[in-house]
Amino acid sequence: GDQVEQSPSALSLHEGTGSALRCNFTTTMRAVQWFRKNSRGSLINLFYLASGTKENGRLKSAFDSKERYSTLHIRDAQLEDSGTYFCAAGLSGSFNKLTFGAGTRLAVCP
Amino acid sequence: GGIITQTPKFLIGQEGQKLTLKCQQNFNHDTMYWYRQDSGKGLRLIYYSITENDLQKGDLSEGYDASREKKSSFSLTVTSAQKNEMAVFLCASTRDSAETLYFGSGTRLTVL
Repeated sequence: GDQVEQSPSALSLHEGTGSALRCNFTTTMRAVQWFRKNSRGSLINLFYLASGTKENGRLKSAFDSKERYSTLHIRDAQLEDSGTYFCAAGLSGSFNKLTFGAGTRLAVCP
Repeated sequence: GGIITQTPKFLIGQEGQKLTLKCQQNFNHDTMYWYRQDSGKGLRLIYYSITENDLQKGDLSEGYDASREKKSSFSLTVTSAQKNEMAVFLCASTRDSAETLYFGSGTRLTVL
């Protein structure tokens, strides 16, 4: 079965508001990475975490390997944040083979 | 910084045709990957390579071949294009297995 369950599948936010995306894992993962796919199709690295939390501007991510989840928080959403967000995680000992979530399609509206 | 270049950006082929997608990276990364993204689904690993001339199968390797002729390039061949494999193919690289993954902008495959 699927090892990475990403939610929600779609999200609509008004400018200036915030929300959280989540990935649940069915097994213990070694690390997680978050990406945003922009309108040109490029996958942009957002965060790489082996544990704990990281923050970059209006984005913050957390990863708990023991509890098997990771989150991506967006605050003060802007129009340019629109796109599809993916989490990807690697199993312990085999991070070469990442498993991706199905993605969250985020639309930020004026 | 570096860049991953995928060519072509758009590839149109006939059913049954052999098609090749190319990927170049100037990060000097050891490991390179080919992923396939179908609409509404996560990325699935086709092949990866941890060094020049190395090849490792991913979850979706059937129907594909790959070649890592040199450290900077990794090509993917669709051996016999089928209509149900129209998708975006993404190339990625990383310095080693525990590092950040960097992606190219993708090749969109259409099979007529």
